Amino acid sequence: GAVVSQHPSWVICKSGTSVKIECRSLDFQATTMFWYRQFPKQSLMLMATSNEGSKATYEQGVEKDKFLINHASLTLSTLTVTSAHPEDSSFYICSASRGPPTGELFFGEGSRLTVL
Amino acid sequence: AQSVTQLDSQVPVFEEAPVELRCNYSSSVSVYLFWYVQYPNQGLQLLLKYLSGSTLVESINGFEAEFNKSQTSFHLRKPSVHISDTAEYFCAVSGYNKLIFGAGTRLAVHP
Repeated sequence: GAVVSQHPSWVICKSGTSVKIECRSLDFQATTMFWYRQFPKQSLMLMATSNEGSKATYEQGVEKDKFLINHASLTLSTLTVTSAHPEDSSFYICSASRGPPTGELFFGEGSRLTVL
Repeated sequence: AQSVTQLDSQVPVFEEAPVELRCNYSSSVSVYLFWYVQYPNQGLQLLLKYLSGSTLVESINGFEAEFNKSQTSFHLRKPSVHISDTAEYFCAVSGYNKLIFGAGTRLAVHP
């Protein structure tokens, strides 16, 4: 199967700092990448959809100025949590799509963010 | 709008017993349906998917799911579970190029 890699897998930061998480598709070109957030013992919540070279589409309730998403190439998308606060602590997961018709997504390993 | 409902948050079961994890969805468009599994401290892995064709789909480790359009369901079943099947299972529906997940069902297999 296709491989999607996230980095870092674990990050601890101080409140007020910004953190960048990278998502790479290693062996295919991802036309679309998705960012999810998973709270403990809960499901994945779609945050935003990003297409290479265009602005991300954010889901309702997700602050676009706080969660900056950049999809600079067909193999790389980044999520920057700006001015992080303890309530931003969560597990962030990216996924990449090779596009239709399968609709299948390939997931990264996830990045656990802890804001102190 | 699309949504996915997993009716059971937790399913405890003894080893070698059968199990069914329930999933219902709603969508106004044609959908693709998926089951993903998340083992402890790991990322998500695709277990099986329904895109079209036969309504019964199978995975390589003995799970199967049946797409029932009239009941808008995609329940996951296994006739005999193993300890190693202990994990969180997520049902998901894809449409409009988005994947929407259910809340997940924690399958706990006991010896």
